[in-house]
Amino acid sequence: GQNIDQPTEMTATEGAIVQINCTYQTSGFNGLFWYQQHAGEAPTFLSYNVLDGLEEKGRFSSFLSRSKGYSYLLLKELQMKDSASYLCAVLDSNYQLIWGAGTKLIIKP
Amino acid sequence: DGGITQSPKYLFRKEGQNVTLSCEQNLNHDAMYWYRQDPGQGLRLIYYSQIVNDFQKGDIAEGYSVSREKKESFPLTVTSAQKNPTAFYLCASSSGEYNEQFFGPGTRLTVL
Repeated sequence: GQNIDQPTEMTATEGAIVQINCTYQTSGFNGLFWYQQHAGEAPTFLSYNVLDGLEEKGRFSSFLSRSKGYSYLLLKELQMKDSASYLCAVLDSNYQLIWGAGTKLIIKP
Repeated sequence: DGGITQSPKYLFRKEGQNVTLSCEQNLNHDAMYWYRQDPGQGLRLIYYSQIVNDFQKGDIAEGYSVSREKKESFPLTVTSAQKNPTAFYLCASSSGEYNEQFFGPGTRLTVL
């Protein structure tokens, strides 16, 4: 079956750096997405990786290793507004998005 | 100002009643999707549509129905056959498979 694993919850301190990991086992691979979702709201797009390596976008970076079935989202200079769930999703061989359960990130002052 | 709208944000229904959730987009996207989100779980695909007048079942289509008569609209009907309909429903659209999906604000359905 298809499976995406992320930690359920993480805690970090304002101003620090946090890395959220995602491992996947899917039928084929056509890219990996990261989304941010604040409680009770819709997910919003953060990044898309299809080739191995690091993609940097401001305070957020996303890394992909296709051979290891692994990605991470790196958040720098954490702010209180970064408290949210972070969803990892893989586009499989049928071009369907397979979603992880999300990682709830709690930022403490 | 382009985007996706879903209404209403909160919806209450009695058990045994059908209910239709609306989803409208003015992004000129061809593809539209309906997801269900339950606490502690990832998004699960109910139905999707790549073009007008065509739609496909997702992983959890039983108890749901959709239509796609217009490019802008993709309403979802939750029927009485859906055993556990209380959930957060999200509609999304995209311009292509490799492109990110844009989500509406969601409808939280509670069946009493």
